[in-house]
Amino acid sequence: QVQLEQSGAEVKKPGSSVKVSCEASGGTFDKFGINWVRQAPGQGLEWMGSIVPVFGITKYAQKFQGRVTITAAKSTSTAYMDLSSLKSEDTAVYYCARANVVVIGTIPYSYYMDVWGKGTTVIVSS
Amino acid sequence: DIQMTQSPSSLSASVGDRVTITCRTSQTIKNYLNWYQQKPGTAPKLLIFAASSLQSGVPARFSGSGSGTDFTLTITTLQPEDVATYYCQQSYATTWTFGQGTKVEIK
Repeated sequence: QVQLEQSGAEVKKPGSSVKVSCEASGGTFDKFGINWVRQAPGQGLEWMGSIVPVFGITKYAQKFQGRVTITAAKSTSTAYMDLSSLKSEDTAVYYCARANVVVIGTIPYSYYMDVWGKGTTVIVSS
Repeated sequence: DIQMTQSPSSLSASVGDRVTITCRTSQTIKNYLNWYQQKPGTAPKLLIFAASSLQSGVPARFSGSGSGTDFTLTITTLQPEDVATYYCQQSYATTWTFGQGTKVEIK
């Protein structure tokens, strides 16, 4: 049973960067996508981007393009989300989540996030 | 980006009631629609994937339906432990998006 273990809480200054890690244990890492989702205090869920480690292919939400970098280290089954030029509005809980896929024959039928980390709190404050 | 509109934004119902939450998308997404439940202070939990498939371990009182642009999450018999916020999410487009959430409370 795959579990995702995230790094600890961070407090950062405006303008700096934060790097959050997400280590997978108990199952295959690189054939699934790893997504990053954040939730500001009292707000809804916001998809930031994803990576498929076996291919190194990344996708980013338009809102975060140029500011977020998602990487993965297959040797340690760990994905990373690096967010730069931090602002107070980036204060949020950041989650990683595994993207699973339903395949019929060779055609992907649906993608969904079935395993989630517990979240990493990032506070941006001067 | 594909826009997701959930309704209502919140609801209050009695234990045992049937609860329905809808999710409408700005363009067709076939059946690439998932539903998540989030309780305060915890990570989201997958309930329904591919619009109508029940995730393993999720009680059968939860069900999903729809395709194209209109989707529904139904709780047939609301239980106290179902108090949570529910989100729809599309995985059809290259970039994924969530609905704004529906907060469910017990009357």
